[in-house]
Amino acid sequence: DVKVTQSSRYLVKRTGEKVFLECVQDMDHENMFWYRQDPGLGLRLIYFSYDVKMKEKGDIPEGYSVSREKKERFSLILESASTNQTSMYLCATQFEGQGNIQYFGAGTRLSVL
Amino acid sequence: DQQVKQNSPSLSVQEGRISILNCDYTNSMFDYFLWYKKYPAEGPTFLISISSIKDKNEDGRFTVFLNKSAKHLSLHIVPSQPGDSAVYFCAGFNTGTASKLTFGTGTRLQVTL
Repeated sequence: DVKVTQSSRYLVKRTGEKVFLECVQDMDHENMFWYRQDPGLGLRLIYFSYDVKMKEKGDIPEGYSVSREKKERFSLILESASTNQTSMYLCATQFEGQGNIQYFGAGTRLSVL
Repeated sequence: DQQVKQNSPSLSVQEGRISILNCDYTNSMFDYFLWYKKYPAEGPTFLISISSIKDKNEDGRFTVFLNKSAKHLSLHIVPSQPGDSAVYFCAGFNTGTASKLTFGTGTRLQVTL
């Protein structure tokens, strides 16, 4: 079974704080993704990575950055958290050659006050 | 620009009946589609997929139909069970480009007793 672990289920941060969301996978998948899920908007892609030290902007990268220093770990960084970044954040992994199936973590619900 | 749309935010169906979830897309470059199911406090899980070379794919109680000319796909669940109550997302993909899925806004299905 693919295991995608997000370090926190719930986080509460203050406006202006730097926030780190961590995602670790145990299946040696090349591709990793960060999404946010908001009511009425579905899942929107923030950033993704095909390999270590590689990153690509998704559809809504503003206000976020990412880091992938090791294949199994993909971090999402909010440089200066704002209230409009309150959301559910979902990490996913994908194995090249296994079609387009992505495997998701349980999510981190972030509240920025 | 919402390339994948699920126009029904919610759907209620009686146990044992058919559930039909609809999805429309605008990007004619999509050639592969997936359905995901999401329970509260869990990440989305892959349910079923279909390639654009097919118009139907079946897996147990779940069948996905694709109408390319109408840019429309639907997920049929027969018979519906209470455990099917979840949010369902459809996603489109262009196999010739980077491994990005474009998700719809989701439909919340409630299966009542």
